[in-house]
Amino acid sequence: EVHLVESGGGLVQPGGSLRLSCAASGFTFSDYEMNWVRQAPGKGLEWVSYISSSGSTIYYADSVKGRFTISRDNAKNSLYLQMNRLRAVDTAVYYCAREVNTAVAGLDYWGQGNLVTVSS
Amino acid sequence: EIVLTQSPATLSLSPGERATLSCKASQSVRSYLAWYQQKPGQAPRLLIYDASKRATGIPARFSGSGSGTDFTLTISSLEPEDFAVYYCQQRTNWLKTFGQGTRLEIK
Repeated sequence: EVHLVESGGGLVQPGGSLRLSCAASGFTFSDYEMNWVRQAPGKGLEWVSYISSSGSTIYYADSVKGRFTISRDNAKNSLYLQMNRLRAVDTAVYYCAREVNTAVAGLDYWGQGNLVTVSS
Repeated sequence: EIVLTQSPATLSLSPGERATLSCKASQSVRSYLAWYQQKPGQAPRLLIYDASKRATGIPARFSGSGSGTDFTLTISSLEPEDFAVYYCQQRTNWLKTFGQGTRLEIK
């Protein structure tokens, strides 16, 4: 059974940093592209970042470009999101999500979400 | 950036009725469109990928149609568990955007 479990969230001051992790199990992690998606309290979904299966191709939403870094360790079946220079507007539940496959549009498995709160 | 506009914002229907949700893209996304269902406190669940293909385990009452800029999610006969928020999502060159969501509520 596919499982994605996020960790590393919490309370951080504006301008601070946090690193989220997503532990994957139940599938061959190195075969799949991965994403981070966030949801501010009471708001809709916002795509944050994408990484290819090998890690060689990476994309970011304009709202986080230059501040966030996505990475993965296929040997550890793990996905990461390094978040720097955090702002209050980055407060959200962050989800890791698996891409169905390269050829289609859809995220078929999601983690339970991890809350990041940016506040002084 | 491609903008997805969902309508209506809120849809009030009764169990057994048919639900039709719309998603319009600001430019063509071909068939690279997905639909999700989200209930309070839960992660989104993939319903439809590539505009019209049902994800694994999704009941046949859910169907998707459209291509280019106009897409529709149809729920043929609403069950009590279908009342939730629905999002569309597009992918072009691995960049993604979501619609703002349609809340499907019990009338």
